[in-house]
Amino acid sequence: AQSVTQLGSHVSVSEGALVLLRCNYSSSVPPYLFWYVQYPNQGLQLLLKYTSAATLVKGINGFEAEFKKSETSFHLTKPSAHMSDAAEYFCAVRSGGGADGLTFGKGTHLIIQP
Amino acid sequence: GAVVSQHPSRVICKSGTSVKIECRSLDFQATTMFWYRQFPKQSLMLMATSNEGSKATYEQGVEKDKFLINHASLTLSTLTVTSAHPEDSSFYICSVGGVSSYEQYFGPGTRLTVT
Repeated sequence: AQSVTQLGSHVSVSEGALVLLRCNYSSSVPPYLFWYVQYPNQGLQLLLKYTSAATLVKGINGFEAEFKKSETSFHLTKPSAHMSDAAEYFCAVRSGGGADGLTFGKGTHLIIQP
Repeated sequence: GAVVSQHPSRVICKSGTSVKIECRSLDFQATTMFWYRQFPKQSLMLMATSNEGSKATYEQGVEKDKFLINHASLTLSTLTVTSAHPEDSSFYICSVGGVSSYEQYFGPGTRLTVT
C-alpha cells in the first residue's frame, strides 16, 4: 500500500519569499514521486519527478524537490515566489512501473501575497 | 511528454441519462490509460486503469457497471457514466502512461454536472 500526506492545505507566502510545500509518503517498495501543479479548471502539469536517480530533482518554473529516504519526504521548494505560482499543488507516489495509477496527496493551495 | 485531450471539456446532463467522455492520446500510443475523478477542492482519486484490448481494472468502491470504460485503440479510451445522478457531478481527468514510462500525462479534464 502507498499513501501521501501533504501538510498544510493552504500555504501563503509573500512574493519573492521562499516557497516550501511539504510531502511525506509511505510505500512498501522504492517509490517514484511526483509533484504536479493544477490551475483552476485545468488538468495537471508535471513539475518534477523522482525516479531513483539523483535525490535533488530540478523541475520547471524554478521548482525543485529533494528525496529524503530517512525522512520519507519529498518537499517542494522554490527560492523566490512569483504571483503566477499561485495554484494547487499535488504530491503523488507510484510504487510500481508505468502500469500503476498514482496515489495523490490532498493538495496544497499556494497563495502568493503581493 | 505526451499530449492528451479530453472531450467534452464540460457537459451538463439530466439525472438518469448517460454521458460519454473521450480521452485521446494525440502523439503517443498508450497501452494504459487511467481515469481519475476530483471533487471540488479535493484531490484526485484513481477510478480505474484502462488497458488497450482488455477489460479495465477498477479501484475498490468504484462501480464498474456505472462507469463503463472502453479502450479499443492505443489512442482512445472512453468513460461512460451510466444513469447519471447528481452525486456523479465531478471533474473527470484521464492520464496516459506506458509500461516503460515513469510519469503520467494528464488531459485537461471534463467537468460533469448532473441536474
